[in-house]
Amino acid sequence: DQQVKQNSPSLSVQEGRISILNCDYTNSMFDYFLWYKKYPAEGPTFLISISSIKDKNEDGRFTVFLNKSAKHLSLHIVPSQPGDSAVYFCAASAWGSQGNLIFGKGTKLSVKP
Amino acid sequence: DTAVSQTPKYLVTQMGNDKSIKCEQNLGHDTMYWYKQDSKKFLKIMFSYNNKELIINETVPNRFSPKSPDKAHLNLHINSLELGDSAVYFCASSQAWDRGGEQYFGPGTRLTVT
Repeated sequence: DQQVKQNSPSLSVQEGRISILNCDYTNSMFDYFLWYKKYPAEGPTFLISISSIKDKNEDGRFTVFLNKSAKHLSLHIVPSQPGDSAVYFCAASAWGSQGNLIFGKGTKLSVKP
Repeated sequence: DTAVSQTPKYLVTQMGNDKSIKCEQNLGHDTMYWYKQDSKKFLKIMFSYNNKELIINETVPNRFSPKSPDKAHLNLHINSLELGDSAVYFCASSQAWDRGGEQYFGPGTRLTVT
């Protein structure tokens, strides 16, 4: 039973446009959410996170939005660059989960020049 | 300067063998983890250690045994390898163990069991 779902396995965007990656979760105990980026043959790298007490967190070109009532979060990348082409994983954790991150299956983003 | 390193990067072995994967982090973190990414691409936690003590032990066959000689190292030993053990194994570390925030991952070890 997937607690964190990324329903789009892939997304293709033109350079300079906005990329929107979506993530849904089912466990209402989750209170901390993260996005990781992964290039082939490398480990995931931390991108941005958001606590459940916020609905938005911004870091440069990356913004994460959290809608707790819908149990949905999204990652916006503006403007998209070819170097952003990677697999993006959404992850969630609950307080007291002792570091247990639950990952989604990932969305492969392709940014075309 | 690699923050989290794993050796080897690739491991090909036969069923029934015993193998180890090593992990080291130079970030000064207290907590280290092992994850498995299977053929369906799901990343799932296997173990976590905080200051050399086992914190999380998910439903993993006891053929898998983690060992933490010090807080900078967390090795994974696998006995009697099976075909289903073929996967990419990632080591990770973080400063805090009480929530799963901002874990730093190694490059992964691709294990192929034939």
